[in-house]
Amino acid sequence: DAKTTQPNSMESNEEEPVHLPCNHSTISGTDYIHWYRQLPSQGPEYVIHGLTSNVNNRMASLAIAEDRKSSTLILHRATLRDAAVYYCIRTRSSGYSTLTFGKGTMLLVSP
Amino acid sequence: DTGVSQDPRHKITKRGQNVTFRCDPISEHNRLYWYRQTLGQGPEFLTYFQNEAQLEKSRLLSDRFSAERPKGSFSTLEIQRTEQGDSAMYLCASSLDGGGYETQYFGPGTRLLVL
Repeated sequence: DAKTTQPNSMESNEEEPVHLPCNHSTISGTDYIHWYRQLPSQGPEYVIHGLTSNVNNRMASLAIAEDRKSSTLILHRATLRDAAVYYCIRTRSSGYSTLTFGKGTMLLVSP
Repeated sequence: DTGVSQDPRHKITKRGQNVTFRCDPISEHNRLYWYRQTLGQGPEFLTYFQNEAQLEKSRLLSDRFSAERPKGSFSTLEIQRTEQGDSAMYLCASSLDGGGYETQYFGPGTRLLVL
């Protein structure tokens, strides 16, 4: 079972940082942590992924706990366009990996 | 735009009719996935292709569903004798076998409504 646990929803104000938590306490040592998001009426889109170290890209940062049982997606300055459902997913490190989506976290951003 | 396209974007059909959806992945991607998403839920895996070979099918994929990927390029998903419970968004994703971690790129989806 490749389950992760996320809050159902979170709220933020525009231009403020957002920290989206994810619990993956049963993660194996070789699983990656991927984050995808889905804007209304669109397919999911890749946000960021990591294995052990914290990661940064132009969209977000990913902070991974030392024991790898949890991680946090960080949006440094939320915009209205960041309002979406965010999914935290464990993936295998080799071979193909069917994505197991939970319900994700719905992020609401207020102006 | 991720480079993955799906056609049609919307389909309304009557119960009992057959429907076919098409997915065009990113050209160099050898892996292709189909997912289904119902309202308020995350996408659920349906089937996976490596090139033209269908290597995995979910138990969600009943006998009324069939998928193909001839020549390892585009893929089609057909639903025969549609039922109201088939109403959902059908998503296609593609990825490249890079020998390590995998990132999937999703199309915009085909929204099916069965009346």
